[in-house]
Order: sequence, then structure tokens, then C-alpha cells
Amino acid sequence: SQTIHQWPATLVQPVGSPLSLECTVEGTSNPNLYWYRQAAGRGLQLLFYSVGIGQISSEVPQNLSASRPQDRQFILSSKKLLLSDSGFYLCAWQRESRYEQYFGPGTRLTVT
Amino acid sequence: AQSVAQPEDQVNVAEGNPLTVKCTYSVSGNPYLFWYVQYPNRGLQFLLKYITGDNLVKGSYGFEAEFNKSQTSFHLKKPSALVSDSALYFCAVRAPGAGSYQLTFGKGTKLSVIP
Repeated sequence: SQTIHQWPATLVQPVGSPLSLECTVEGTSNPNLYWYRQAAGRGLQLLFYSVGIGQISSEVPQNLSASRPQDRQFILSSKKLLLSDSGFYLCAWQRESRYEQYFGPGTRLTVT
Repeated sequence: AQSVAQPEDQVNVAEGNPLTVKCTYSVSGNPYLFWYVQYPNRGLQFLLKYITGDNLVKGSYGFEAEFNKSQTSFHLKKPSALVSDSALYFCAVRAPGAGSYQLTFGKGTKLSVIP
């Protein structure tokens, strides 16, 4: 069976500090991978998606970047965090032969 | 552009009563439709999907949803609500076709099942 991991689970960072959130998927190969941000416990905003190693598509220009150094690893980064970067960050994976996405447990980021 | 509307921010239902969470969508072509549930401080869990075929789809935990093309709706239903069904529910749509990866989510509906 497939499993998706995210870490850390929670993070408190000062404004201007760097960020690195990691997502890994087990039990599948060549998944599509996604980063979402959820603000205030409601709607999800797609930030980045990747259909393969080194292939990143950005949906919303902002202070964040993403990388996919390995097939089942997806990293969300920032060089300098803003207060507005606070939120709940969710990673998801999808097998291209299926249509639904499966989500990880999330990382709650608070920028102070 | 595709979009999803969940017209109710909150739905309250008594335990044992039927529940409905509403969703309407807008997309070019035949849609792929999904329902997810989220418990506090957790990721989203997939409940069910409509891709093609029978308009009534059944999913996890006794939930089902009915696709209505003429009304562009995909309402989530359950015959008898449980207190444990209390959570945040998201409807999502994806445009058909290869190369279409983006799921567009509604803003979510908070379901409260009252004992």
C-alpha cells in the first residue's frame, strides 16, 4: 500500500528565516506530486505540482519554490519567510492512471 | 477556468437523520468530481469520485453522491448521520483530458452532527 509522509508536523519560524518542508511517498513510482496551502482551515490553494523529477509547475507566483530531487520526494522552500506564509501546508500524490489525489498529514507553519 | 461552489458554510443535522452537503461546479467538458473529508489538523481523506457511468456513486463510510449534469451539481449524501461524521467536507473538480492535473476545491462545508 502507499503512504505519504510530511515533516515536520509543526513549525514556528521568524520572519525572514528560510524554510524547507519535505514530503515523501512510499509504495508507488513516478507519482504526480502536489503542494497546497490551506489558510484558516478552509479552501485549498494549489502552489506547485510535479509530473516527474526536476519538473515543477508553479500555479501562484509568490515567496515559495519547490523541487523534486528524487522520484518520490517533493520539497517546498523559501529563502525568506513572510508573515503571510503562515498556514497549513499539504502535500498530495496521484497515480496518473487514477484520478484522485491522496493527501499527507500536513505541516502547520506559523511565521512570527 | 474551472470552479466549485459549496453554498453552505455550515450544515447542522441531528444524529440518525439524512444529510446532504451541496456542491455545484463549472468546467469545460465532462467533469471529474471528487469529495474529500478533513478532520481537525489532519490532511484530506478521499471519499468518492465521479468519472463516468452511473450518476450515483458510492464511497467510503456510507457516503454517496449524485452527479446531475443538467444542474451541474454533485451533492454528497448519507442516509443516517453519525456524530463521527462531523468534519469539514470539500468538493473538487478536475477538467477532463490528459495533461490536466489541477484539482479545484470548493471552500468547504462544516458538517456538525448533533447527538
